Amino acid sequence: DAGVIQSPRHEVTEMGQEVTLRCKPISGHDYLFWYRQTMMRGLELLIYFNNNVPIDDSGMPEDRFSAKMPNASFSTLKIQPSEPRDSAVYFCASRDSSYEQYFGPGTRLTVT
Amino acid sequence: DQQVKQNSPSLSVQEGRISILNCDYTNSMFDYFLWYKKYPAEGPTFLISISSIKDKNEDGRFTVFLNKSAKHLSLHIVPSQPGDSAVYFCAAFQGAQKLVFGQGTRLTINP
Repeated sequence: DAGVIQSPRHEVTEMGQEVTLRCKPISGHDYLFWYRQTMMRGLELLIYFNNNVPIDDSGMPEDRFSAKMPNASFSTLKIQPSEPRDSAVYFCASRDSSYEQYFGPGTRLTVT
Repeated sequence: DQQVKQNSPSLSVQEGRISILNCDYTNSMFDYFLWYKKYPAEGPTFLISISSIKDKNEDGRFTVFLNKSAKHLSLHIVPSQPGDSAVYFCAAFQGAQKLVFGQGTRLTINP
């Protein structure tokens, strides 16, 4: 298996623009997680899905952030409008019923 | 509120010596703990875990210790090697659904 796939790897955009991050989980994994990594707060869980259904979105910072999982092999995290403080590395992770989560390589987002 | 805390943002150890990374947690309901390792420009990768019913788990050069009464766990790496230089995250399972991560500790192994 190729592991968790994220695209793009790097994204530079201007304040106010819409940003869409994409994730393909490992086949057969029924949990999918979106994290944000910052220097101050480390790895923060934004939202997670189980069987394509959002279970907990309490970590989503505000209404500008939204996430979808239309099927078992694809998820998106959208920021609209983006702001400079959204600059961070965003990780997607997936797992099956075991405890171990597998992370993608991350998307480095820079909002100018 | 940071439920999982890694109070040392960085640690420097000489090659061949023991590296000890520490982690404290506040939620007594956490029942499973993991350590992840992260290299630059890569996602975190699983390293070792421990259930709350144990106080020690060993895997080669890596050993994790859990002190439930103190709500403290530590990761020991011995002997430390240059390839161990990375950021280490402590994480705890809440409700068997989601992981709560610490802020990470950057370990540097000096030759």
